[in-house]
Amino acid sequence: ETGVTQTPRHLVMGMTNKKSLKCEQHLGHNAMYWYKQSAKKPLELMFVYNFKEQTENNSVPSRFSPECPNSSHLFLHLHTLQPEDSALYLCASSQEITSPLHFGNGTRLTVT
Amino acid sequence: KQEVTQIPAALSVPEGENLVLNCSFTDSAIYNLQWFRQDPGKGLTSLLLIQSSQREQTSGRLNASLDKSSGRSTLYIAASQPGDSATYLCAVRSFSGAGSYQLTFGKGTKLSVIP
Repeated sequence: ETGVTQTPRHLVMGMTNKKSLKCEQHLGHNAMYWYKQSAKKPLELMFVYNFKEQTENNSVPSRFSPECPNSSHLFLHLHTLQPEDSALYLCASSQEITSPLHFGNGTRLTVT
Repeated sequence: KQEVTQIPAALSVPEGENLVLNCSFTDSAIYNLQWFRQDPGKGLTSLLLIQSSQREQTSGRLNASLDKSSGRSTLYIAASQPGDSATYLCAVRSFSGAGSYQLTFGKGTKLSVIP
């Protein structure tokens, strides 16, 4: 177990659906992150939350909407996605913003 | 803008061989560098973290070195085993302004250790 749990592990959704990805960390960390991993591309940072406040939005389209209700939970709300949004979405946490990252196992998203 | 390159993209070695994975970065003003391992369909597992003031870190059969001035890091794996087969990713943390520290990843090196 990594201490960072992501659900669901797999998700298939149509372009008109609305779904949410969930991330929970049991490490007492203060920072949480969403990353996107597409085939043959480096991991792309999407959002950073530090002490529940969003500190980075890496020019992510508005069809991705993050939510961080507390330091242990992070959500990614999805609506009207495109097929090119199909990817592995990884959540991570760290003690501080400069500390080592701990990753969850990801949600494999397929948009049909 | 920081860019991280990992060469080679894929590497296949026989079991027992020692090997070196390479990581280079364009901006030497880094805060730290982290090596990760990723198994197929899984998340990333942290292997080693080197602070900018350090030259190397060791964990078991793994040794990571850092040469900030030349923008390079290497991950040395001794006596490779089939269980070492995975994709190895290098990530560099740099100061990106306004109190933000951006973590930039390479594309990874896919390692296959043949029994």
